[in-house]
Parts: sequence; C-alpha cells; structure tokens
Amino acid sequence: DAGVIQSPRHEVTEMGQEVTLRCKPISGHNSLFWYRQTMMRGLELLIYFNNNVPIDDSGMPEDRFSAKMPNASFSTLKIQPSEPRDSAVYFCASNRQGASNQPQHFGDGTRLSIL
Amino acid sequence: GQQVMQIPQYQHVQEGEDFTTYCNSSTTLSNIQWYKQRPGGHPVFLIQLVKSGEVKKQKRLTFQFGEAKKNSSLHITATQTTDVGTYFCAGQGGKLIFGQGTELSVKP
Repeated sequence: DAGVIQSPRHEVTEMGQEVTLRCKPISGHNSLFWYRQTMMRGLELLIYFNNNVPIDDSGMPEDRFSAKMPNASFSTLKIQPSEPRDSAVYFCASNRQGASNQPQHFGDGTRLSIL
Repeated sequence: GQQVMQIPQYQHVQEGEDFTTYCNSSTTLSNIQWYKQRPGGHPVFLIQLVKSGEVKKQKRLTFQFGEAKKNSSLHITATQTTDVGTYFCAGQGGKLIFGQGTELSVKP
C-alpha cells in the first residue's frame, strides 16, 4: 500500500519567494495533518483537516501560511512570502478518524531551506 | 492549553544498557501514542495505550500508562544500535499533542 506522499522532498529557495508543499494522504483516510519540525520547537501541529474541512488552524504561525484541501486525496501548504525562519522539515500525516483514535501515518517530509 | 512534557531530551547509553523516557501531560488523556523517528526519517507509530495502568510490551520495549492517565513511560531493555532515534509520546486530550521527544544514541 502507498503511504503518505509528500513533494518535493527538498526545497531550497530565496526569501520572499512563494513555497508550495504538497501532500497525498493514504487512500481511505479522512483526516490530514500538517506538522513543522525544528530543533528548537520540536514537532508542531500547524493545521488539520477532517473530511477536507479545516478543523484547527491555531498552530499556523502567521498569515503568510495557508493550507487547503480541495479534495480527499490532495492538500497543499503554502508560504508566501517565505522567510529564513521558515526553514524546517514539514511533515504531512493522515489517519482514519472514527470511534477510536487511530495512529497517524507520516510522509517522508519536505526539507525546506529559505536562504 | 494542553501540554505534553517529555524527559530527558537526550540520552546516551552504552549498548546493552537500559533506557527509559518519561512523558507527562498537564491534563487527563484519553489515550497516549508512542512514535519513533530514525535520524533523517519520519515519525513511525509504535503503540497506543488507552486504559488506566495499562502495560504493553513489544520485544525489548515496555510501555506504561499511568493510573491517572496523565503520564506514560517507555523502557527499552538491553539497548541495541538499531534503537537509535528520537522517541516521541503523543497525548490525546482533544487533539494529539506531541512531546518534545527523547533522542537516544547508543554507543557500540
């Protein structure tokens, strides 16, 4: 079975540029999560969707960050304009929300460097 | 808001020594999950604990959930070099909140 697929795996760009990260969740999973991981702040939940609807975006750092989930098989996280402090590994995860709490399945991540 | 604290932040052991990481929540949890992240990799689910006082084992790994459902621990017996990585607990109150993780290094 295919896992969570993220692209690109690596992104290096100059500050001020728009960055778009992409995620395809596992088929049949109805919840999708975006995380940011840094040495200083650890693994932070940015936003999560349930049935394509954003449920909690309290972790989104500021208005430069936006996320969408136009359908059950695709989500994007966009940073515009990007800044050096946005450099981090961004993970997407998915699971099947139901009566019991299900483990989250993570993608390989996007390693983002803003110069 | 809900917080999940994990200690220690780093642990260096000699191969064959035991290792324990501890997780504490500021609120009562409905369940707790444990994940392992290898260097350069992504978090991978290990186990979920749901019941008060629950203990689960996976080979050399022992997971415990406290009676008050606010703390948990992961113990590894006789560490091996393959155990290297960062171990995260994640507590479910409303949403899943990850601890800061414990980075384990094992010297052969």
